[in-house]
Parts: sequence; structure tokens; C-alpha cells
Amino acid sequence: SAVISQKPSRDICQRGTSLTIQCQVDSQVTMMFWYRQQPGQSLTLIATANQGSEATYESGFVIDKFPISRPNLTFSTLTVSNMSPEDSSIYLCSVVPGLAGSPTYEQYFGPGTRLTVT
Amino acid sequence: ILNVEQSPQSLHVQEGDSTNFTCSFPSSNFYALHWYRWETAKSPEALFVMTLNGDEKKKGRISATLNTKEGYSYLYIKGSQPEDSATYLCCSGAGSYQLTFGKGTKLSVIP
Repeated sequence: SAVISQKPSRDICQRGTSLTIQCQVDSQVTMMFWYRQQPGQSLTLIATANQGSEATYESGFVIDKFPISRPNLTFSTLTVSNMSPEDSSIYLCSVVPGLAGSPTYEQYFGPGTRLTVT
Repeated sequence: ILNVEQSPQSLHVQEGDSTNFTCSFPSSNFYALHWYRWETAKSPEALFVMTLNGDEKKKGRISATLNTKEGYSYLYIKGSQPEDSATYLCCSGAGSYQLTFGKGTKLSVIP
């Protein structure tokens, strides 16, 4: 398993500003992801955070809006840039425990960051 | 089915009642089916991951079944308790670790 923490747990931000969310894992992992859940919607994958290279973004998400850093195998950040009220969501990071080639289908999630943009 | 669909969207049950939810998912390129239990302000808790057609998993009063040929999974809760109140998420992974989620079923157990 993996224990994941996120900071901040919640925030209220003004439109036009940016917020950086941190994700810390208690063990080294290769696979780390960022999701968001807009009100009334499904959890949606934003991107895969790749250690040592640029993140891989899903359709509809771009690096300029959601820059991601992955400096090592236990930590990642997601920045929500130039925020608008539509960015109000819960943002979660998730990991697949273990390093590349680990034979598991399991994914573990952080507790989420609840963002409200006014 | 192109997306992961869950039903019902929400339900209220009396303490002690048994209940079940449905998850429908694309049967093509199936990799794994996950169930999570998510309480507000907490991490989604992994309940089950199933990969083979006919899989059945059980954890205490909660169990799940999987039909990959027709693309559905059921989650059962026997003798619901107030602490079972949460949103239950179903998600499918199609050939990779990227998961596609349903909108969840919000369960409220009334004491």
C-alpha cells in the first residue's frame, strides 16, 4: 500500500490567481497521477506525472493551465493557473504502489484538495 | 457503453437493510475494475480490484461481482450500518493504469 498526503487540504482563491498543490508519498513510486472532480461530475484524469520528464496530459488539459512537477519518486506538484470559478473542484493525486514493473493493479489516492475559486 | 455508468445516483436505506449498486463499463479493452469507498475529506478507500470474468470479492459485509463479457459489476452491502454511509465509486482501467470513473453512488444509512 501507500500513504499519500496533500497540501493544502482546502483553499479559497480569487480568480486570476494560481494555486500549487503538493502530493507526498511515503514510498518511492513510478506511477503518479493527478485527477479532479468538478461538482456533480466524475473523477477525471488530468495527467500522468512523469519523474524526470514532462507530464503526459489527457485530452482537454494543457500544460500552461496545469503545470506539473515531479522532481523525485515520492513527490509531485500540480499548479492550477489563472484560476476561474470553473476550476472549483476537488483535486486528488493517486499512485500505483511500487516501481516500474510492479505487478499490481491497485491505485491509492490522497485525501484531496478542495478548491473554491471566487 | 462508452463511459462508466453507476446507478442509482443516490439512495437512502434503513440500518440493517441490505443494498446493492450497479456499475456498467465498456467491455472492450478491459483491464481491471475497481470499487472505492469515499467519505468526505478523506482519501478514497480501495475496496476491490477485479480482473477476471466471474470474479467475486468479499470484505466483511461488502462483496462485489464482475461480468466482463457484458460489462457490469455489482457491489453488495449486507446489513447496512451508519458507518457505511459514503460515496461508492466504480472505475475501469482499459489496458493501462489510467482509470475512468463513474459519478458514484451516494449511500446514506439511516439509524
